[in-house]
Amino acid sequence: GAVVSQHPSWVICKSGTSVKIECRSLDFQATTMFWYRQFPKQSLMLMATSNEGSKATYEQGVEKDKFLINHASLTLSTLTVTSAHPEDSSFYICSASGQNYGYTFGSGTRLTVV
Amino acid sequence: SQELEQSPQSLIVQEGKNLTINCTSSKTLYGLYWYKQKYGEGLIFLMMLQKGGEEKSHEKITAKLDEKKQQSSLHITASQPSHAGIYLCGADPNSGNTPLVFGKGTRLSVIA
Repeated sequence: GAVVSQHPSWVICKSGTSVKIECRSLDFQATTMFWYRQFPKQSLMLMATSNEGSKATYEQGVEKDKFLINHASLTLSTLTVTSAHPEDSSFYICSASGQNYGYTFGSGTRLTVV
Repeated sequence: SQELEQSPQSLIVQEGKNLTINCTSSKTLYGLYWYKQKYGEGLIFLMMLQKGGEEKSHEKITAKLDEKKQQSSLHITASQPSHAGIYLCGADPNSGNTPLVFGKGTRLSVIA
């Protein structure tokens, strides 16, 4: 079945630094990738949608300059949290979608900014 | 925009008991996905329903989509501790490469 690898699974960084999260589709071509954020005891909130080779579409209220999304190939999308602050601490999860493949989720990344 | 309401928000059941989780959509569903999530982990795909009246089962979990395709239920028979977690329903509002819209989840605890 379809597999999406996301890493790192957890990361701790200092305030002001940047963190990159990778999401790879291992056995299918992901034409579209979605990035979600989840706060404790809450559901998944869509941050942005990215299509391979195009600029990402961000949801209202999500700062595109802070959350940089790159989808340069059909198997890799990255989310970079720039100048991270404690309020950016959260669980980030990607989902990949491709032709004949539904929505496959990565295992998530827990970001803690100290 | 499409919204999903899940009920109950949380559920505590005794091991061996049956339970049902509901998911109601504000609009007709093109596709309805059920996932399970352990806190702080990724989503585990359970089932996907597309046709009105469709019902699917996997082991002790059965999911149904009503004829009007606006409500789905997830039923667990003879619950076990391994069933504990957060159950999320997700709606495919279109078809193709549009993001899933999620309900707020139902937190299930199974006690011995």
